[in-house]
Amino acid sequence: EAQVTQNPRYLITVTGKKLTVTCSQNMNHEYMSWYRQDPGLGLRQIYYSMNVEVTDKGDVPEGYKVSRKEKRNFPLILESPSPNQTSLYFCASRGPLSGQAKFFGPGTRLTVL
Amino acid sequence: DAKTTQPNSMESNEEEPVHLPCNHSTISGTDYIHWYRQLPSQGPEYVIHGLTSNVNNRMASLAIAEDRKSSTLILHRATLRDAAVYYCILQGAQKLVFGQGTRLTINP
Repeated sequence: EAQVTQNPRYLITVTGKKLTVTCSQNMNHEYMSWYRQDPGLGLRQIYYSMNVEVTDKGDVPEGYKVSRKEKRNFPLILESPSPNQTSLYFCASRGPLSGQAKFFGPGTRLTVL
Repeated sequence: DAKTTQPNSMESNEEEPVHLPCNHSTISGTDYIHWYRQLPSQGPEYVIHGLTSNVNNRMASLAIAEDRKSSTLILHRATLRDAAVYYCILQGAQKLVFGQGTRLTINP
């Protein structure tokens, strides 16, 4: 089954404790991206990657890092999480053409205390 | 980035057609019009997309105005499972810019 998986699905942590949210897709997609969703603000793009070793900032990249060492994986790294990064996070992937549909993961709900 | 404007909410009855409007007056020539929906506690789900011509798939139809400044998502026979937030989005080279979406309520 074609899918995007994220782990963990739920995470409660404390300020300053480094964490990684993993994202993996099994569709051989070139393009992957991360979004965060907050009430009243909708979905905002954090980072995206056009292919292996190619990443770029989205609209709200501050406080986040990403890496794309393999085509199927695109982890989101929070080096020093803060409470304002409490949010619902979605990973997405699509093929190489900009008009193609995106597939979204199930989401990771992160709480930073 | 080009933005879209959608009504905050709409309501319809089960088994009736639903027309969800979207305005995108600043659309560029290379922007695709995408529609996604998000059910409670789930990630966004692709519904349909188009560039200039009207499009049909098993889920819905997409009607695009001739000047491309607006579009309409058509659910031909709404079911309770269609209750969701529907996002009309313009996809450029890299980004999908999400607006606030339309919360669709389906009455039994």
